[in-house]
Amino acid sequence: GQNIDQPTEMTATEGAIVQINCTYQTSGFNGLFWYQQHAGEAPTFLSYNVLDGLEEKGRFSSFLSRSKGYSYLLLKELQMKDSASYLCAVQDTGGFKTIFGAGTRLFVKA
Amino acid sequence: DTEVTQTPKHLVMGMTNKKSLKCEQHMGHRAMYWYKQKAKKPPELMFVYSYEKLSINESVPSRFSPECPNSSLLNLHLHALQPEDSALYLCASSQGDEQFFGPGTRLTVL
Repeated sequence: GQNIDQPTEMTATEGAIVQINCTYQTSGFNGLFWYQQHAGEAPTFLSYNVLDGLEEKGRFSSFLSRSKGYSYLLLKELQMKDSASYLCAVQDTGGFKTIFGAGTRLFVKA
Repeated sequence: DTEVTQTPKHLVMGMTNKKSLKCEQHMGHRAMYWYKQKAKKPPELMFVYSYEKLSINESVPSRFSPECPNSSLLNLHLHALQPEDSALYLCASSQGDEQFFGPGTRLTVL
């Protein structure tokens, strides 16, 4: 079966660092995406990890451990505009099918 | 042009109506996708077209009928929908790993 778990909600303070975890058990694995989605808008791409390790892109970093079925998204220097849902998504082996987790709603407070 | 466009933005239809959703991209991407997203839920894959051929149909009811007239266009024909089909319908395209999402069509079925 396909299972992607991430926390439902998180709250953090402006300027702080937050880590959003994602664990997955899927029949196939090609890579793992993180998307940001503001309410009522389409998801926007943040990162894609294929190999183990940390990928850094500005204030956002994403980590993957394939052996543990685990990833996290790290957001630094939080801003109010970072309040959004963050979706962890696994790309299946064939490359076309992407399975999304339920998303983590992040609230950034002043 | 680095975006996916979708029309209409909003659509209200009765259960006996026939309507179509349209998606367009001019990035030369050869894979295009339809997703359905209910409120506070992750996107669920419906269909994938690769090189204008249907490659994935995630057991979607026949009242949803996809069409890919050419490499830039993707349609979703709707007929005899149910109120529970009300959702945000997202189109995406990809060439490689990153999927680019359109803004979506918010569909309400009365």
